[in-house]
Amino acid sequence: QVQLQESGPGLVKPSQTLSLTCTVSGGSISGGAYYWSWIRQHPGKGLEWIGYIYDSENTYYSPSLKSRLTISVDTSKNQFSLKLSSVTAADTAVYYCGRYEGGVFDTWGQGTLVTVSS
Amino acid sequence: EIVLTQSPDFQSGTPKEKVTITCRASQSIGSSLHWYQQKPDQSPKLLIKFASQSFSGVPSRFSGSGYGTDFTLSINSLEAEDAATYYCHQSSSLPQTFGQGTKVEIK
Repeated sequence: QVQLQESGPGLVKPSQTLSLTCTVSGGSISGGAYYWSWIRQHPGKGLEWIGYIYDSENTYYSPSLKSRLTISVDTSKNQFSLKLSSVTAADTAVYYCGRYEGGVFDTWGQGTLVTVSS
Repeated sequence: EIVLTQSPDFQSGTPKEKVTITCRASQSIGSSLHWYQQKPDQSPKLLIKFASQSFSGVPSRFSGSGYGTDFTLSINSLEAEDAATYYCHQSSSLPQTFGQGTKVEIK
């Protein structure tokens, strides 16, 4: 059974770049029909799709974040990553990595809280 | 962007009661509507995919229906462990979007 685990700094300063990694265990990140995804949840709020990557190089981003966002895959480490630049307090959220396949997010990481503050 | 509007925002029910949550899409999405359950301090879990298909391991008291713009999630015979927030999600077009959530409380 595939499991996902987010990792990265819990505190980022305004204007800096938020960087998170998701480690995939129990299965390979390569091949298959999976889109490796990032979703966030602002404190006490609903879910917001950030973007995903397919086949290691095809990326799809939320229009509202596209100019600041990069999602990439490291197949040698079985990981995928999120980089969000020029962060503000509005980027404070719990960030989830997830596996998207056949139209649904069928596997989620436990989530990691990232706070943007000086 | 397709907007999903859930109603109600909050619902309270007693054990064994039937609870129904609705999700309305701002344009037709066929059957590309899915439901997730999120318990406090946990990540969301997939319950129903493509409007009415139960995901593996989900109790049979959860069911979904609908097509086009109007969808429902029903919880038959509510149990204490069903206290959670429920979200709908559409995969018909990018960007992927979610409803605002419906919090279900058990009296």
